Amino acid sequence: KAGVTQTPRYLIKTRGQQVTLSCSPISGHRSVSWYQQTPGQGLQFLFEYFSETQRNKGNFPGRFSGRQFSNSRSEMNVSTLELGDSALYLCASSSGTHGYTFGSGTRLTVV
Amino acid sequence: QKEVEQNSGPLSVPEGAIASLNCTYSDRVSQSFFWYRQYSGKSPELIMSIYSNGDKEDGRFTAQLNKASQYVSLLIRDSQPSDSATYLCAVTAENAGNMLTFGGGTRLMVKP
Repeated sequence: KAGVTQTPRYLIKTRGQQVTLSCSPISGHRSVSWYQQTPGQGLQFLFEYFSETQRNKGNFPGRFSGRQFSNSRSEMNVSTLELGDSALYLCASSSGTHGYTFGSGTRLTVV
Repeated sequence: QKEVEQNSGPLSVPEGAIASLNCTYSDRVSQSFFWYRQYSGKSPELIMSIYSNGDKEDGRFTAQLNKASQYVSLLIRDSQPSDSATYLCAVTAENAGNMLTFGGGTRLMVKP
């Protein structure tokens, strides 16, 4: 069974630009969550989607947004990038019963 | 006060010893509890989940949950150098969907 696939693995963007990250969950998993990991703040919840609906949202500014498609694939978008947005962005998928499996992450560097 | 707290470590144990990792949480409605292992430069990997009070064993790993005291622990028996990693405790709460709240992680070093 394929795991959670995130693309791209690495990104370098300039301040003020926007970026879109992609996540394909494990087949059959309908819940997709996004997390930001930084050395200073650790792992922080961004948002969760279930059946194309945002079910929860973390304490992040509106520049961070996401969506989920009918095939459960999800994207997150960050607009007007700031230096502080440099982080590892992790996607996790769940069937709801056996915990959450993380993808390899997208490492975003904002310069 | 952080919702999920862990000692950042490093916790250093000799090879073959038992490593004991602890986690406390503040939200009494926390329902599900997870331990993740994260190697440097890698993503977190789920190693244990526990939902009810008591012990749950899986190979060399034992998770312990005490909801009255609001703590969850992870014991690693016969620790190996390959167990050296950061261990993250995560909890979910009722009515919070699948939102995981993570502790800061404990860095474990197993010395040969």
